[in-house]
Amino acid sequence: AQSVTQLDSQVPVFEEAPVELRCNYSSSVSVYLFWYVQYPNQGLQLLLKYLSGSTLVKGINGFEAEFNKSQTSFHLRKPSVHISDTAEYFCAVSAHNQGGKLIFGQGTELSVKP
Amino acid sequence: GAVVSQHPSWVICKSGTSVKIECRSLDFQATTMFWYRQFPKQSLMLMATSNEGSKATYEQGVEKDKFLINHASLTLSTLTVTSAHPEDSSFYICSARDYQGLGGTEAFFGQGTRLTVV
Repeated sequence: AQSVTQLDSQVPVFEEAPVELRCNYSSSVSVYLFWYVQYPNQGLQLLLKYLSGSTLVKGINGFEAEFNKSQTSFHLRKPSVHISDTAEYFCAVSAHNQGGKLIFGQGTELSVKP
Repeated sequence: GAVVSQHPSWVICKSGTSVKIECRSLDFQATTMFWYRQFPKQSLMLMATSNEGSKATYEQGVEKDKFLINHASLTLSTLTVTSAHPEDSSFYICSARDYQGLGGTEAFFGQGTRLTVV
């Protein structure tokens, strides 16, 4: 079975500051890793994903994440945030043999203040 | 990216009635669709996985007789909440993967349905 832990439930940050949202996972099999963003009362939008290859993955809206297999982490980073980045962020894993079933972390609420 | 349309976006129903939520893949064929439930300020909990033309696979603790899932075509899956009660009030989200997707292929999400049972 897989599990995902997002270490911070809320992250307040000032506009134009850098941010890191932490994600750790547990799995006995190889997994794919994802970060999604959710705006209020909306579905989820994919920010980026790690399937294989380079451990540094670049996504939309200036976000990037680095897969660290030894630490079983997939932290999301952005060098300079905007007010519009205020949203809920979910880290998710999908085991290679699970047909695309996603297991989500608890979510991190990013609040960008002016 | 591909588009998944979920309808309705919100619905209010009386306790004891049934509500149907539709999830459509608009520009791709979805062999697999997933239904999630999300409580306020919480994560998404997978309810069931539906494959076109076969019975849905429910996660542990999800009542299959209460949450009826039908995936009759490659572009449509429905979730029916039967005999709804106030505790069924929640945000329901579907996602779909395309027909030829590999395990790591992106799952596209609908915009969600806010169900309120009064």
